[in-house]
Amino acid sequence: AQKITQTQPGMFVQEKEAVTLDCTYDTSDPSYGLFWYKQPSSGEMIFLIYQGSYDQQNATEGRYSLNFQKARKSANLVISASQLGDSAMYFCAMREVSGGTSYGKLTFGQGTILTVHP
Amino acid sequence: DTEVTQTPKHLVMGMTNKKSLKCEQHMGHRAMYWYKQKAKKPPELMFVYSYEKLSINESVPSRFSPECPNSSLLNLHLHALQPEDSALYLCASSQDVGASSQGEQFFGPGTRLTVL
Repeated sequence: AQKITQTQPGMFVQEKEAVTLDCTYDTSDPSYGLFWYKQPSSGEMIFLIYQGSYDQQNATEGRYSLNFQKARKSANLVISASQLGDSAMYFCAMREVSGGTSYGKLTFGQGTILTVHP
Repeated sequence: DTEVTQTPKHLVMGMTNKKSLKCEQHMGHRAMYWYKQKAKKPPELMFVYSYEKLSINESVPSRFSPECPNSSLLNLHLHALQPEDSALYLCASSQDVGASSQGEQFFGPGTRLTVL
């Protein structure tokens, strides 16, 4: 069963508008971390934002915010004031921590290609 | 310095060649990773090194051989590859793999490998 689901293969947004990229996850581990990465066409994976399962507040990093709804097991990425440079593939990922160790494994979703129109 | 570097950026090799991919980080991270990524797909974990010891091998064929000479360097030795091994190979590092750390991984720019 997929642990991370990104249901939007592609999204389009107008420059300066906000956009939400969806991510749902599945885990029975009470302790986990959720990440969003951006991958431009150049290939490098760029870390954007992190949300821990015990964090009380939604994470924010500049124009990026994570809408964390624990009961719904969703961790949507909100990008405000979109820029042309935001056009890229976006991956949601989860790190489970069970028994005190996680061995560093990240489980990635299938990704969403975001295109920002001028 | 928050950079992970990878060399070469591009590599074309024949099925009988032996080549190596190199990765370096100077962030004091104690965990390093190799991923393989096909176009428009998520990265697939290949190997994890923790404190210079191999801790995870995701059933990778033996034609891929990882090496961690020290805490800053990670190599991937390639031998007798197949055309289906053509992909983007990403290296990443993180503070460690333990539960106490947030665990975000920092990625290098990748090596685009083509096997002819």
